Amino acid sequence: ETGVTQTPRHLVMGMTNKKSLKCEQHLGHNAMYWYKQSAKKPLELMFVYSLEERVENNSVPSRFSPECPNSSHLFLHLHTLQPEDSALYLCASSRDRGGGQETQYFGPGTRLLVL
Amino acid sequence: GNSVTQTEGPVTLSEEAFLTINCTYTATGYPSLFWYVQYPGEGLQLLLKATKADDKGSNKGFEATYRKETTSFHLEKGSVQVSDSAVYFCALKGSQGNLIFGKGTKLSVKP
Repeated sequence: ETGVTQTPRHLVMGMTNKKSLKCEQHLGHNAMYWYKQSAKKPLELMFVYSLEERVENNSVPSRFSPECPNSSHLFLHLHTLQPEDSALYLCASSRDRGGGQETQYFGPGTRLLVL
Repeated sequence: GNSVTQTEGPVTLSEEAFLTINCTYTATGYPSLFWYVQYPGEGLQLLLKATKADDKGSNKGFEATYRKETTSFHLEKGSVQVSDSAVYFCALKGSQGNLIFGKGTKLSVKP
């Protein structure tokens, strides 16, 4: 049990659908992250939030829209996705964003399939 | 820029064999280094870490030593078990606090 939960665990959506991924951390951390894990590619950082403020957006397409209403919850809103967006989306949290020794704790991920 | 290169899998071993998964990095300075493991159908779990040169991280029989002279952080285990079958990721902590991962190495251990 890592203290980071994600729902749903699996999601199938059409290209015209709108859906949201949810992440919740029970660790009292101040920083949260979205990563994308595609087949045969390294894990890619998508978004970083620190104290509910977005501090990094790695040139992610606007069809992905993050939301962090408080330090325990993180959402990823999805709309008009493409089949190449099918991947495992991982949420992580850490005590703080900076600091070389900070460990990030990951959730189990949401397996997304876009048809 | 920062990057991580690790053994390209898959790696298949028999139970009780010795495991080495190589990891080398390119970075400015001396970043913290991590090994994460991903079991089938699950997210990433921290396996071990080292925050400065010559540190040795260890957990569950796995070890890795931070070698600044060779910019390496190779993962080793003396005797693998079937339950060690998973994907292993080497990562470094970037200057912005984000993790930069290698591509992952899939390990399969046969009885």
